[in-house]
Order: sequence, then structure tokens, then C-alpha cells
Amino acid sequence: DIQMTQSPSSLSASVGDRVTITCRASQTIANYVNWYQQKLGKAPTLLIYAASTLQSGVPSRFSGSGSGTDFSLTISSLQPDDFATYYCQQSYTTPRTFGQGTKMEVK
Amino acid sequence: EVQLVEYGGGLVQPGGSLRLSCAASGFTFSTYEMNWVRQAPGKGLEHISYISSSGSSKDLADSVKGRLTVSRDNAKNSLYLQMNSLRAEDTGVYYCARGEEYCTNGICYVGFDIWGQGTMVNVSS
Repeated sequence: DIQMTQSPSSLSASVGDRVTITCRASQTIANYVNWYQQKLGKAPTLLIYAASTLQSGVPSRFSGSGSGTDFSLTISSLQPDDFATYYCQQSYTTPRTFGQGTKMEVK
Repeated sequence: EVQLVEYGGGLVQPGGSLRLSCAASGFTFSTYEMNWVRQAPGKGLEHISYISSSGSSKDLADSVKGRLTVSRDNAKNSLYLQMNSLRAEDTGVYYCARGEEYCTNGICYVGFDIWGQGTMVNVSS
């Protein structure tokens, strides 16, 4: 199975901050990466697919980049609703493995 | 409304069995791949099973191979997960998720765009 290594595992930030989460695949996967947001006690929601394409309805402050083995999710100006846990996922092959998650906390 | 609803979770003893179901509504179920994703308490997401739209292709994570079986009934708009020989480490919330295909320039990408609310499985004596 392809391993997805996500960092950092937690991130303390303030409203208005620019934050970046990174994800590294154990083998090259082109741009087959998704990003999800999960709030406490809720199912995840899809933010980005194909490494950089925003899912319909997702605010433009979210952006994704990367190709090959290294990927990132950036929030340009953190909003109160963005404090949650974020996961990357590879969609190159099944099982579509997830990273370990990054918990975004209030500084 | 597009919706997935899981049910069948509960408390089961180690070595026991459980069958989870996921009822789909609001979309053409037979045209989508479907997935099970689980989350142990306080832990991350684990994709444990995939089944193609027709049911002809399946895959399971190594952690559950030989113990869990995925199936679907497109006539009933339902997805199933048969769980046998359950262990304490199988405890968690089990989500069903739809795999949507996004295609551009002949290349297609899959994202899990619709999720159920989850059903809790507790394996304990």
C-alpha cells in the first residue's frame, strides 16, 4: 500500500494566519491527491481533488499544490470555521490511503 | 437529497461478527464506486474497503483482509460490510463514502464526496 506521511501532526495558529500542511507519498503518484477537512464528531468533507482543484462550494482561501511525491494544502487567511483536522489522501490506487492528519488549533 | 445512512453497528465480543449496511438515496447508486472508511477513537482515517459500481472489483486494506467482506446490492441501493473474527483494534466509527469521479482531459480522479454520519462498532468483552 502507498504510505502518506503528513506534517505537522498539529498546528497552532491565529485567525488571519497563512498556514501550510504538507504530505509526502511513499512513491510517485502524479497529482492523485485529495484533501479533506473533519470537524469533531462529524464525517470528513472533501476540499480538494487532483492535488489542486477545489471541490464545489469550498472557499477560495483553500489551495493545494504538488505533484509526484510532495503535496501541500494552504489556507491563505485562517478563519474561525477552519479550526479542524485535515487529511491528505492518495487516489492513485486502492486502498486509497490517508495521511495521519493535522489538527489545526487556536493559538 | 443525496444521502448515505449507515446502520448495524454495536457492541460485539472479540471473535464475533457484525454486518454493517449503508443505504443510499438521492443519486444513481449503481453508477458509483463505494467505500468504507473507519476511524478508531481519537485516531485518523483508514480506508478499509472499495467496491466498483458493478461490484465486480473489490479491494480491502491488509489490516482487514480475510476477516471483512464488502458487497453491494444495486437493486436495493445498499452497500454492506460483513465483519468476522472481530478484534479490539476494529473498534471505531465506520463511514460509508461515495467515490465521485472527476474527469478532465481524459484523466479521471476519485474523491470521496458524500459520506454517511457513521456507525460505531465497539469490540469488547
